[in-house]
Amino acid sequence: NAGVTQTPKFQVLKTGQSMTLQCAQDMNHEYMSWYRQDPGMGLRLIHYSVGAGITDQGEVPNGYNVSRSTTEDFPLRLLSAAPSQTSVYFCASSQFGGTEAFFGQGTRLTVV
Amino acid sequence: AQSVSQHNHHVILSEAASLELGCNYSYGGTVNLFWYVQYPGQHLQLLLKYFSGDPLVKGIKGFEAEFIKSKFSFNLRKPSVQWSDTAEYFCAVPSGGSYIPTFGRGTSLIVHP
Repeated sequence: NAGVTQTPKFQVLKTGQSMTLQCAQDMNHEYMSWYRQDPGMGLRLIHYSVGAGITDQGEVPNGYNVSRSTTEDFPLRLLSAAPSQTSVYFCASSQFGGTEAFFGQGTRLTVV
Repeated sequence: AQSVSQHNHHVILSEAASLELGCNYSYGGTVNLFWYVQYPGQHLQLLLKYFSGDPLVKGIKGFEAEFIKSKFSFNLRKPSVQWSDTAEYFCAVPSGGSYIPTFGRGTSLIVHP
């Protein structure tokens, strides 16, 4: 049982580059979300999805895009990387709103 | 929308000391509350949760939390910490129309052997 799988684990980007962080879950969860974790800031919600074809913005959506074409996958796209996007990114899924969230192992992104 | 605040950002204890980490949520009514733990270099995992019923909730590894509605609090406790409890602890509440988890800023706990 893989749970929530994120790739890559580490990534270094140059300013202005784009990339996609992958997230997949095998628990058939409706809800999926992306957070970024910065020291002293906790986890801040970037985007979330309540089902295939449905996405919405969280607290810090600027500079990121998401789509949800299947229940399993919820990729996060950085359109034009900036040093302020240096962070650790976590993907999470839950069965529906209000229940326990399951997290991926995280992606540590550095933008130089 | 619901939110949570954690007041202790850094806590340093010696092994066998007792632990209490504060968490307050923003308003009353029906509320689900969670504590998650993040060990160094790892992802978040659930420590315990409160949905309804007994306000004293027991979780993994000897942790417990008490839901006190009158104080809007859900403090995490452990009677005797171990070095292996060194981690970051997050209080969380489902928020907004979709009840996506919203997290506090976290408490970094260091336990000295």
